[in-house]
Amino acid sequence: GNSVTQMEGPVTLSEEAFLTINCTYTATGYPSLFWYVQYPGEGLQLLLKATKADDKGSNKGFEATYRKETTSFHLEKGSVQVSDSAVYFCALSDRWGSSNTGKLIFGQGTTLQVKP
Amino acid sequence: NAGVTQTPKFRILKIGQSMTLQCTQDMNHNYMYWYRQDPGMGLKLIYYSVGAGITDKGEVPNGYNVSRSTTEDFPLRLELAAPSQTSVYFCASTPTREGAYEQYFGPGTRLTVT
Repeated sequence: GNSVTQMEGPVTLSEEAFLTINCTYTATGYPSLFWYVQYPGEGLQLLLKATKADDKGSNKGFEATYRKETTSFHLEKGSVQVSDSAVYFCALSDRWGSSNTGKLIFGQGTTLQVKP
Repeated sequence: NAGVTQTPKFRILKIGQSMTLQCTQDMNHNYMYWYRQDPGMGLKLIYYSVGAGITDKGEVPNGYNVSRSTTEDFPLRLELAAPSQTSVYFCASTPTREGAYEQYFGPGTRLTVT
């Protein structure tokens, strides 16, 4: 079945450091891929998405490229800020699957803590 | 647009009590979902609906019930609350099947069962 695996956290970085959070997936179809962010005490917000191979999603300085050959969708940011401290979730949706229910499969989440 | 709204924000229940978590979206989305998030964990799907009058079970449906009488509303019912249902509950919605299926989340309901 479909699944998403994220690197374990927590990830602790100093301000202005480079960030990578690894995400790999297993899917039988051609999934859409997402990164969601959850700030403390809040719901999940869509950070970026990619719908086909080689697409690059980007938002707020974050980027992720849909790599079909390595089944990966790693999240990167060149210079993190304290305000980026949050939990980041990688997810996939097999929108072309037979069930076509729009269900998302989530990774377990990676906590990022950025120190001044 | 308000997006996805959930009420209440917080609730404490005694074992065996019942309650309904409310979820409303004003984006005319056909698909809606209920998740629970336990501390330090990802999200697990409880129930989902692909349109008014149509619901189906997710990964962890035991102890819960749903209904979908309108496009806007998707309430989640706990009939006999148990400590294992202590969690944060999120409702989400997504537009038509032709989209990328990104989901829009509500702010959550934090439930404690004691």
